[in-house]
Amino acid sequence: QKEVEQDPGPLSVPEGAIVSLNCTYSNSAFQYFMWYRQYSRKGPELLMYTYSSGNKEDGRFTAQVDKSSKYISLFIRDSQPSDSATYLCAMSSNDYKLSFGAGTTVTVRA
Amino acid sequence: NAGVMQNPRHLVRRRGQEARLRCSPMKGHSHVYWYRQLPEEGLKFMVYLQKENIIDESGMPKERFSAEFPKEGPSILRIQQVVRGDSAAYFCASSPRGRIDTEAFFGQGTRLTVV
Repeated sequence: QKEVEQDPGPLSVPEGAIVSLNCTYSNSAFQYFMWYRQYSRKGPELLMYTYSSGNKEDGRFTAQVDKSSKYISLFIRDSQPSDSATYLCAMSSNDYKLSFGAGTTVTVRA
Repeated sequence: NAGVMQNPRHLVRRRGQEARLRCSPMKGHSHVYWYRQLPEEGLKFMVYLQKENIIDESGMPKERFSAEFPKEGPSILRIQQVVRGDSAAYFCASSPRGRIDTEAFFGQGTRLTVV
């Protein structure tokens, strides 16, 4: 069993739709939870960071963490074609060693 | 302010050759992390370095792989006697302190192809 599970998709939605992404994990020591966006042939860029359980909102993006279920989510409202990318969840129990999901490829159709 | 620079962007090596991947951190960053991304898999931690020190290399294969971050110059990830299974994208990230989760920026990666 992988430490972090993420459905690779692909996921295709029309412009303006809500994109819902999620990951599950098995290591109860994880305390820091992140979502990265990766465009084709580029490096990952940090989108959202959450410490422990709870919700966090930043513009059109909302991240949720449920540690009791070992489940994290990312929601993108009013999706735009420029949101088309691969979204990676990542988590860690220390400051430098991240465990990544495999990534979900999202396409937003104009 | 230039971002994290990795070179080369693409590298082709024949089996048995050596591959050298370079990572120049952002200005003021003294912490470097290397991750490897295999096809259809997430990024995997390889090694964490500070200037002149290896802090954690628990993700590095025991043989053929080595990393350094000298006092002057870029961090180098070296793979000796490459095999087809080494084909992957190698990313480095840098941060001003030892916090990759909130303070680090990733480079654009080096895509290694072993033929």
